[in-house]
Amino acid sequence: NAGVTQTPKFRVLKTGQSMTLLCAQDMNHEYMYWYRQDPGMGLRLIHYSVGEGTTAKGEVPDGYNVSRLKKQNFLLGLESAAPSQTSVYFCASSRNVNEQFFGPGTRLTVL
Amino acid sequence: DAKTTQPPSMDCAEGRAANLPCNHSTISGNEYVYWYRQIHSQGPQYIIHGLKNNETNEMASLIITEDRKSSTLILPHATLRDTAVYYCIVRAQAGTALIFGKGTTLSVSS
Repeated sequence: NAGVTQTPKFRVLKTGQSMTLLCAQDMNHEYMYWYRQDPGMGLRLIHYSVGEGTTAKGEVPDGYNVSRLKKQNFLLGLESAAPSQTSVYFCASSRNVNEQFFGPGTRLTVL
Repeated sequence: DAKTTQPPSMDCAEGRAANLPCNHSTISGNEYVYWYRQIHSQGPQYIIHGLKNNETNEMASLIITEDRKSSTLILPHATLRDTAVYYCIVRAQAGTALIFGKGTTLSVSS
């Protein structure tokens, strides 16, 4: 099993550009999450999903949209990137509400 | 979810036990204590969780005080690979999100 994978690993954007981050899991997990981590900080939840076709806002949802059209995929979109969205983005999935499995992260820089 | 307080950093000698404390004095009856760690630049890794009984797995032991207001994560024989940021998180099992604070940076040295 690959576990949780994230695409791309690195990306540089210019202010105002858009992009989509892809998270995929092969563990048949119901729950999926997107977090961001800024330097020296803990992770903060952006959006999450409790099942296919459902999404919900987390702690810092502004400027992001998500979709969960397939159970194994959770997409995070930035419609108009801003320098404040420079961060490391982690995706996670879980079968229940206990152990979350995290991906390797996507390092995004917005110039 | 209850808030947690952890020391910002700790040091441990390789081969010794690492005892990481966490204060969660406002924890309520249905909230669990979770521990995750994050090795530099990687995604966080689940370690262990518990409600009120002490728990042990292949990675660590979790000791929760009788009043549940604090807990200790114990790595019995720390190695250099255990150098990481350790997060203590309190959450009701019915919740879905993990609220990460700044954690404790554990440095294991030889």
